Amino acid sequence: NAGVTQTPKFQVLKTGQSMTLQCAQDMNHEYMSWYRQDPGMGLRLIHYSVGAGITDQGEVPNGYNVSRSTTEDFPLRLLSAAPSQTSVYFCASSYLAGGSYEQYFGPGTRLTVT
Amino acid sequence: GQQVMQIPQYQHVQEGEDFTTYCNSSTTLSNIQWYKQRPGGHPVFLIQLVKSGEVKKQKRLTFQFGEAKKNSSLHITATQTTDVGTYFCAPDSSNTGKLIFGQGTTLQVKP
Repeated sequence: NAGVTQTPKFQVLKTGQSMTLQCAQDMNHEYMSWYRQDPGMGLRLIHYSVGAGITDQGEVPNGYNVSRSTTEDFPLRLLSAAPSQTSVYFCASSYLAGGSYEQYFGPGTRLTVT
Repeated sequence: GQQVMQIPQYQHVQEGEDFTTYCNSSTTLSNIQWYKQRPGGHPVFLIQLVKSGEVKKQKRLTFQFGEAKKNSSLHITATQTTDVGTYFCAPDSSNTGKLIFGQGTTLQVKP
């Protein structure tokens, strides 16, 4: 199993550009989520999904869109990039059944917006 | 909404000293998870606590869940340089798997 994969690893955008961060998992996990990590701010939840076709907002959803058309994929779209979105983005997935919600994280995407 | 306070934010210790980080929630939790993130890496799951007053050990790491299920702690005995990293608590208040992470405690260990 590859686990959770994210592409790209690094990205530089100009203000106003749009892009999609890709996330895929091969563990058949129902739950997937996106976090951003900024120095001193820990991990903040952007959006999450409990299954294909179902998404919901986290703590900091503004400026980001998600969709979940398949169990495996959960892309994060930046609509119009702003310097405040410079961050490290992590995708994570987990099972929902069984009471153990151990989250598996991808390696992250380091995004710089100039 | 759910608020989590993790303290301290930073801790520098000499190798061999003990270390403790605390996680306090304003609401009663269904369960709490702990993660470790090495510098430049991604968070890695350590443990999940579910029961009131639960204590779990992993070698030199001891995890506790408070009786009221509103706080938790991670204690490392005799730290080693391999313990360097940031430790996050991640409480789940609704038992849905949706995790809101604490700000983390960054541990530095001097050899």
